[in-house]
Amino acid sequence: NAGVTQTPKFRILKIGQSMTLQCAQDMNHNYMYWYRQDPGMGLKLIYYSVGAGITDKGEVPNGYNVSRSTTEDFPLRLELAAPSQTSVYFCASSYGAGEQFFGPGTRLTVL
Amino acid sequence: GQQLNQSPQSMFIQEGEDVSMNCTSSSIFNTWLWYKQDPGEGPVLLIALYKAGELTSNGRLTAQFGITRKDSFLNISASIPSDVGIYFCAGQLRAIQGAQKLVFGQGTRLTINP
Repeated sequence: NAGVTQTPKFRILKIGQSMTLQCAQDMNHNYMYWYRQDPGMGLKLIYYSVGAGITDKGEVPNGYNVSRSTTEDFPLRLELAAPSQTSVYFCASSYGAGEQFFGPGTRLTVL
Repeated sequence: GQQLNQSPQSMFIQEGEDVSMNCTSSSIFNTWLWYKQDPGEGPVLLIALYKAGELTSNGRLTAQFGITRKDSFLNISASIPSDVGIYFCAGQLRAIQGAQKLVFGQGTRLTINP
């Protein structure tokens, strides 16, 4: 199993551009999560999903959108990128309320 | 929103020393978790605590869930070079349909001098 995979690993965006961060898991986990980690800080929850078609906001959802059409994939969409969205983005998945397994992260810089 | 205060922010120790770090919150959590993050990677779960007062070990790591449910500590005994990294505490909140939202501390960066 590859576990949780994220693409791309790195990305530089200009202010106002849009992009989608990809996340996939092959563990048949029903719950998936998106976090961001700013320099020197802990992770903060952006959005999460409890199954295909069901998503909910986390602590810092503004400026992001998500969708969950399959069990395996949980993309995170950034519309109109801003410098404040410069961060490292982590996707995680879990089976129910069990341990969350994290991907390797996507490092995003908005200039 | 909830915040976790983790201390110390960084530690510089000699190999073989014991390490202690803690986490406090103004809110009650029903579950406390401790993670380790290596450079360029996502966090990995070390220990999970589910009951107030619980003391749990995982090899050289020991963690406790405070009686008030507002704090937790992590101890590492006889540190070795591979212990280097950033350690995070996290409190767990129940969300829709049983999902678990995690609230993270700011992290403790551990550096070991050989």
